[in-house]
Amino acid sequence: AQSVAQPEDQVNVAEGNPLTVKCTYSVSGNPYLFWYVQYPNRGLQFLLKYITGDNLVKGSYGFEAEFNKSQTSFHLKKPSALVSDSALYFCAVRDWGNTPLVFGKGTRLSVIA
Amino acid sequence: AAGVIQSPRHLIKEKRETATLKCYPIPRHDTVYWYQQGPGQDPQFLISFYEKMQSDKGSIPDRFSAQQFSDYHSELNMSSLELGDSALYFCASSNLAGGNTGELFFGEGSRLTVL
Repeated sequence: AQSVAQPEDQVNVAEGNPLTVKCTYSVSGNPYLFWYVQYPNRGLQFLLKYITGDNLVKGSYGFEAEFNKSQTSFHLKKPSALVSDSALYFCAVRDWGNTPLVFGKGTRLSVIA
Repeated sequence: AAGVIQSPRHLIKEKRETATLKCYPIPRHDTVYWYQQGPGQDPQFLISFYEKMQSDKGSIPDRFSAQQFSDYHSELNMSSLELGDSALYFCASSNLAGGNTGELFFGEGSRLTVL
C-alpha cells in the first residue's frame, strides 16, 4: 500500500527566505504525487503534482517541488516565503486511475514577518 | 469555474442522532470521494464512487453509508452519531473517463459537531 511521510509537524521561516516542506513516499509502482494546502476551516487546495516527466514541477503561488526517485522524496519549495503562505500543507500519493489519495500527516508552515 | 459544492457547511447534532451530508461534484466529473478530517488530523479516506458504483472503501464505520445518484451527486448518511464523529467531512471529485490528470478537487467541507 502507498504511504507518505512528512517528518516535520511545524516549519518556521522568516518572510523573504526560502522554504522547504519535506515529504517522502512509499509505493509499489510508479508514484503519483501531490501537494495540497489548507487554510483554517477551508478545503484542500491543489498546489502541484508529479505524474511523469521533469523532476522539477512548478505549481500555484510560486511553489515548486522536486521529485527524487532515488531518495523517494517530493519536497515542496518556494524561493521567497510570504506571510500569506502560512497554512497547513499536505503531501499525498495515489495509484493511477480513480484510486483515492493517501495523505501525509501535514506540516504547519509559519512565515514570520 | 464550478467547484465541488457541499451542504450543509455546518451541522450540529446530538449523540445517537442521524445526519446526511450532500456533495455536488464538478460537472462531468465521474468519481466522488469522501474524506473525514478530525481536529488536527490528516484527511482519512472513507469511500468513493465511480459512475454511481462504489469503487473503493476506506475506514468508513458501519454506521455510515453513502451513495451516488443518477445526477452524480452523492450523500453520506451517518447514524447513531458519536462524539468522535465530530469532524470536517470533505467531498472531492475527479474525472477518470475524461483523461484523469490525477488531482482531486475538494469542496470546502461540512463541519459536523456532535454534542
